[in-house]
Formats: sequence, C-alpha cells, structure tokens
Amino acid sequence: TQLLEQSPQFLSIQEGENLTVYCNSSSVFSSLQWYRQEPGEGPVLLVTVVTGGEVKKLKRLTFQFGDARKDSSLHITAAQTGDTGLYLCAGHNAGGTSYGKLTFGQGTILTVHP
Amino acid sequence: DVKVTQSSRYLVKRTGEKVFLECVQDMDHENMFWYRQDPGLGLRLIYFSYDVKMKEKGDIPEGYSVSREKKERFSLILESASTNQTSMYLCASSSYRRFSSTDTQYFGPGTRLTVL
Repeated sequence: TQLLEQSPQFLSIQEGENLTVYCNSSSVFSSLQWYRQEPGEGPVLLVTVVTGGEVKKLKRLTFQFGDARKDSSLHITAAQTGDTGLYLCAGHNAGGTSYGKLTFGQGTILTVHP
Repeated sequence: DVKVTQSSRYLVKRTGEKVFLECVQDMDHENMFWYRQDPGLGLRLIYFSYDVKMKEKGDIPEGYSVSREKKERFSLILESASTNQTSMYLCASSSYRRFSSTDTQYFGPGTRLTVL
C-alpha cells in the first residue's frame, strides 16, 4: 500500500505571510495532484505535476514535484483570507489495473487570519 | 459545468439500519469512487467502479458494499450501520484513460452521516 505523509496537519497564519505544505512518500508516483476543499464542498483540483523536478505556478501558489517523484510541496506567497481551507495532496499510480486510483495525504487545514 | 451530486448532505441513522448513499454524475465518466473522510486521516477509498456492474475494493471496504447498475449512478450501501461508520462520505468520478497520470477526479459535496 502506498502512503503519503502530509505536513503540517494544521497551519494558522496572518494574512501576508508565506507558508509551505509538504507531501512525502517512500513510493514513486507517476503524478502528484493538489486539491483544495472548502467547508461543505468536495475537493477541487488545483494542479497536477507529472515530471520529476517540475514546478508549476498558479498566481501566488507554487507547486513542486521532487526529482525522484516521491515528494511534493505547495508554497503560498502572501497568504490571503481566501486561501483558508483544507489542502490535500494525492498521488496517482497510472497503468496496469490502477484505473486512476489516487492515494491521499492526511490533509492540511490552513487558516489565514486578517 | 461538471456535476457530481449526492442524494443527501446530512443523514442520521440508528445502529443496525441499512443505509443507502446515492451518487450521480452527468459527465459520462467511466470511473466512480466512494471515499470516507475523517479528521487527520485524509480521504480513504472504500470502493470504486470502472464500468457498469464492475466494482473493486478499495482500502477500507469492510462493512460496505456498492452497486452500479447504470453508468451515471454509483450507490454505497451500509448493510448494518455502526457508530464507527459515522463520517463524511465523498463520491467522485473520473474519465479513465489507460496509462494516463493526469486524470482529474470530480467530487460531490459529501454526505455527513451520523450513526447513533
């Protein structure tokens, strides 16, 4: 069974601060996805990283996939109150009979205070 | 706009009751998934289905069963609900392309089930 360890579990910061969320595994994934979930809603995909060493930017959010495709990070610059939510990383193991199954990390609850 | 709907947002049941959770997607997706979400544990896969009438066990299938009679509908069944099945249940769908590593799962809003 593949596992994804996500840290920290909780983050409480002031508006304008920077933060990083980590996602680590001993297994190799063919891709890594980050989802964001708001209260009362299901997770929504933010980004997919596929290539080892890949960096993707979405406005103030920067996503990185480790060279060995075992870890990933999410960095938010100058956090805003609208960034508050649950962030989930998910590893994708394509091919064979995986049928697109995802392995999820435990999640990081981010609270940004005004 | 893609849509995954779940039959109930909140459900309260008694121990021993049979519980049905329904999920419908309008995207003609092949794959459908049922997860439960608990604080500190992330999303754990209960069952998934890659085609009508096909089902595969996920990581925590004990105490659950599923049914997929039509492509757009995937039901989760708790044969005899227990208090440890109190949780948030999320349904998702995706369009599977073999050997693709970029499939997106689209989630419903979840059903918060409380078993008393």
